[in-house]
Amino acid sequence: AQKVTQAQTEISVVEKEDVTLDCVYETRDTTYYLFWYKQPPSGELVFLIRRNSFDEQNEISGRYSWNFQKSTSSFNFTITASQVVDSAVYFCALIRQGGSEKLVFGKGTKLTVNP
Amino acid sequence: ETGVTQTPRHLVMGMTNKKSLKCEQHLGHNAMYWYKQSAKKPLELMFVYNFKEQTENNSVPSRFSPECPNSSHLFLHLHTLQPEDSALYLCASSQDPPSDTQYFGPGTRLTVL
Repeated sequence: AQKVTQAQTEISVVEKEDVTLDCVYETRDTTYYLFWYKQPPSGELVFLIRRNSFDEQNEISGRYSWNFQKSTSSFNFTITASQVVDSAVYFCALIRQGGSEKLVFGKGTKLTVNP
Repeated sequence: ETGVTQTPRHLVMGMTNKKSLKCEQHLGHNAMYWYKQSAKKPLELMFVYNFKEQTENNSVPSRFSPECPNSSHLFLHLHTLQPEDSALYLCASSQDPPSDTQYFGPGTRLTVL
């Protein structure tokens, strides 16, 4: 069975601080995909990144960066110089290649960035 | 309109009412999904449609009835709901399941009185 754990339920930071959101996953599959989504108070889940299991390169997109480490089954997300608009619930998710179409989500981390 | 749209955004209904949620995707995708998001629970997949055919029914009670007339539209018909069905219902679409990125709509906030 697949599982995604986001141990941090809530994080509160002050604007301009860097913050890392942790994601640890479990799967027996060798080919799988990992995702991060952002859910602002409006409710919509906004896609941030998709990474396949064979690509362990870290990725940077503006103030966002992702650290994928298969050795520790982690896919952590860092926001540099956080802003108030980054306040949202962030979800990590996992799906395996082929078979079931179920995207398995973590419980989410609520990030509050205070001015 | 772009992306995935959902109507209504908010819905309040009694337990004896019948209502429908609508989802439309403008991305040219082949698969559509319904999810339920309750407070303090992980997102729950309810239904999956691939090329208009239902491929997943995640043990959802029969008071929820999905309909997918074409690859761009998805409905969720509701009847005789319970207060515990109050939640945010999210629609998503993807090009080709299962591993393609799912793009979500803004959701319908449902309250059952």
